[in-house]
Amino acid sequence: AQSVTQLGSHVSVSEGALVLLRCNYSSSVPPYLFWYVQYPNQGLQLLLKYTSAATLVKGINGFEAEFKKSETSFHLTKPSAHMSDAAEYFCAVNPGSSASKIIFGSGTRLSIRP
Amino acid sequence: DADVTQTPRNRITKTGKRIMLECSQTKGHDRMYWYRQDPGLGLRLIYYSFDVKDINKGEISDGYSVSRQAQAKFSLSLESAIPNQTALYFCATSDLESGGPEANYGYTFGSGTRLTVV
Repeated sequence: AQSVTQLGSHVSVSEGALVLLRCNYSSSVPPYLFWYVQYPNQGLQLLLKYTSAATLVKGINGFEAEFKKSETSFHLTKPSAHMSDAAEYFCAVNPGSSASKIIFGSGTRLSIRP
Repeated sequence: DADVTQTPRNRITKTGKRIMLECSQTKGHDRMYWYRQDPGLGLRLIYYSFDVKDINKGEISDGYSVSRQAQAKFSLSLESAIPNQTALYFCATSDLESGGPEANYGYTFGSGTRLTVV
């Protein structure tokens, strides 16, 4: 069965510091992987997705993630945090078969200190 | 207008009442989903539909039912609401592009319905 584990329910960084949000997945087949962001009182918005075309994926707002098969990881990074990055971030996996659905991690709340 | 619209945005209802949450989309997607979000639990799938004639239970379907009235409309009902159904509910759509490395398995989400059962 596929699953996603996000390490750390809450991460706090200073403005301008590196953002690193961790995600490990379990999948019996090469998966499709996603990061979604949820700003307060809003729905989920796709940040980036891995679909096997390239292991380093660049998304919106300066975020990127690297697929590492040997570590079954898909960590999200941003070199320099901005106050507007404060939100909840969800890692998700979809095995990619015609009948599959996305499975979400439990989420990581990112706070930015001035 | 939003691609995926959920109504109402907020709702407070009493225990035992029947309530319907509605979702409509202009994406032209065949696949639609209902999720609930609870703090610390992420999003859990309630029901999903791959086309108008296809309805499937998700991991937490007990106490819920759905109706796919058209390709663009997918409603979630709570037949007799209870307090532990208090949550944020999201509708989502997707479009499966068969085959190829660029197939899009991502979802488009609505803005959510915040439901409180008292």
